[in-house]
Amino acid sequence: DIQMTQSPSSLSASVGDRVTITCRASQSISSYLNWFQQKPGKAPNLLIYTASSLQSGVPSRFSGSGSGTDFTLTISSLQPEDFTTYYCQQTYSTPYTFGQGTKLEIK
Amino acid sequence: QVQLQESGPGLVKPSETLSLTCTVSGASISSYYWNWIRQPPGKGLEWIGYIYYSGGTNYNPSLKSRVTISVDTSKSQFSLKLSSVTAADTAVYYCARMVNRGGENWFDPWGQGTLVTVSS
Repeated sequence: DIQMTQSPSSLSASVGDRVTITCRASQSISSYLNWFQQKPGKAPNLLIYTASSLQSGVPSRFSGSGSGTDFTLTISSLQPEDFTTYYCQQTYSTPYTFGQGTKLEIK
Repeated sequence: QVQLQESGPGLVKPSETLSLTCTVSGASISSYYWNWIRQPPGKGLEWIGYIYYSGGTNYNPSLKSRVTISVDTSKSQFSLKLSSVTAADTAVYYCARMVNRGGENWFDPWGQGTLVTVSS
């Protein structure tokens, strides 16, 4: 199985800050990397697919980059609704695997 | 817009079989891969497996011996059966569509999720 490791596991920031979350794969996954946002009690919501493509309807403050084994999700200017949990997922090979999650908290 | 809705018992006894159905609306069930994912309370996400509309399946090896996913295209539904459940199978179970374009895959949309508790 491909292991996905996110860092940090938790992050404190303020409204308006620029933050970056990192996801590392245990082997190369090309650009087969997706990012999800999950709010409490809700299903994950797709933000970014194939590493850098912004899903329709997602605010442009979200962006993704990377290829191979190292990927980043950047939020350019945090809004109050962004303080929640984020997951990366690889779809390079089955079993598809997720990172352990990054919880973004208000400082 | 495409919507997915999980349904099934919220409580299952240990050693019994968990059965859930996902109903797809707003789009054809054809030409996509249909997935089940679960999330134990307070924990991360685990992919269970998928079924292609034509019936081909792919399961997570960690669950493969206990999982069956099936599809009923006439009802726009796909289903999950997980046998011999234990407390470790207590989780929110999600269904999700996987879009495949040029070999690239992503999960969207997801159902709202349904909590299944394994307890006597």
